[in-house]
Amino acid sequence: SQTIHQWPATLVQPVGSPLSLECTVEGTSNPNLYWYRQAAGRGLQLLFYSVGIGQISSEVPQNLSASRPQDRQFILSSKKLLLSDSGFYLCAWSVSGRDTGELFFGEGSRLTVL
Amino acid sequence: GQNIDQPTEMTATEGAIVQINCTYQTSGFNGLFWYQQHAGEAPTFLSYNVLDGLEEKGRFSSFLSRSKGYSYLLLKELQMKDSASYLCAPLDSNYQLIWGAGTKLIIKP
Repeated sequence: SQTIHQWPATLVQPVGSPLSLECTVEGTSNPNLYWYRQAAGRGLQLLFYSVGIGQISSEVPQNLSASRPQDRQFILSSKKLLLSDSGFYLCAWSVSGRDTGELFFGEGSRLTVL
Repeated sequence: GQNIDQPTEMTATEGAIVQINCTYQTSGFNGLFWYQQHAGEAPTFLSYNVLDGLEEKGRFSSFLSRSKGYSYLLLKELQMKDSASYLCAPLDSNYQLIWGAGTKLIIKP
């Protein structure tokens, strides 16, 4: 069966510090991978998605970046965090080659920037 | 533009039935998804409609009217564990989900 893990689950970072969130999927090949952010009381905002290694599409201009160094690994990074980067970050995967609406989410990473 | 409208919060009684409505406007349409999200957790997939009509899945049913840009999620025999947010998310012409802010459902005994 397929599983998805992301870490860390919780982190508190000072403004201006770097960020690295990691997500790995097991049990499937060539998944579509996604990074979302959810602010309190708001809908999920798509940050990045990837259909293959090294292929990243950015949906929202910001100080975040994403990389997919391996087929089932997706990393969200920032060189310098802003207060507005606080939120609940979710990694997700879907089956490639089909309609991409059924997403399977990781446990989430709650980021607080102080 | 793209827009999703669903009530912010609803309250219902254990054992009862509740209907959560969603209206949407998207650039193209390739189906509509409902997700459940418990507080502090990630969303989980509930249902999917691509054609007009009702899809039933146990205690949960979802309805779609494409011409009206309207969907609802119907929850029967409510249980306390159904207390969660319910997210309506149509799939646009680029096969990307457009997420609403969700409806927080509070179940009272």
